[in-house]
Amino acid sequence: EPEVTQTPSHQVTQMGQEVILRCVPISNHLYFYWYRQILGQKVEFLVSFYNNEISEKSEIFDDQFSVERPDGSNFTLKIRSTKLEDSAMYFCASSPRAGGFSGNTIYFGEGSWLTVV
Amino acid sequence: AQKVTQAQTEISVVEKEDVTLDCVYETRDTTYYLFWYKQPPSGELVFLIRRNSFDEQNEISGRYSWNFQKSTSSFNFTITASQVVDSAVYFCALCKQNTDKLIFGTGTRLQVFP
Repeated sequence: EPEVTQTPSHQVTQMGQEVILRCVPISNHLYFYWYRQILGQKVEFLVSFYNNEISEKSEIFDDQFSVERPDGSNFTLKIRSTKLEDSAMYFCASSPRAGGFSGNTIYFGEGSWLTVV
Repeated sequence: AQKVTQAQTEISVVEKEDVTLDCVYETRDTTYYLFWYKQPPSGELVFLIRRNSFDEQNEISGRYSWNFQKSTSSFNFTITASQVVDSAVYFCALCKQNTDKLIFGTGTRLQVFP
């Protein structure tokens, strides 16, 4: 069964460093997302991406964050200068069409644990 | 504003017991979508079900069943004859029309003991 894959599974970084989290969405999907989950808390929406541009973002997704689809398969989340509070599990997700427009299923990857020290 | 409430933080049951996980949502929209996801100890989010606001028919899938009631804004999830492998955190989520954003509840941790 096709799945969303994420790398790395776990990354430890020093405060102030740049981090890039990578995702390979399901191949025929057109909508891509990043969510995050601080340890023990709920999953929170960060950003959605369609047709090479951001379609929606949350207040969490400030100037420190950026997303990119550098080639036909990868979808990346960059955090420019990490802070301690960025420590979380970051989930990539994809959907064949917009989840809200037609209630399509949004499929999540296994997550990337980011620990900022 | 949209909101999802899962009032049960943690539930413990013994194998073979039935268990119901509650989900109450708030939205002013008439068209919206509700989801349940399972997060096992390994951490990934596993899709379980999607329901749109116009379909109040209850659904059964094996040991899993869902009860959607618009009158009470609830979308409860029942596991029949629970098994140890059901131990996980279960999240209910809401997605309103014309947006891609899933709004998650705080999750319910289910522990099934042998």
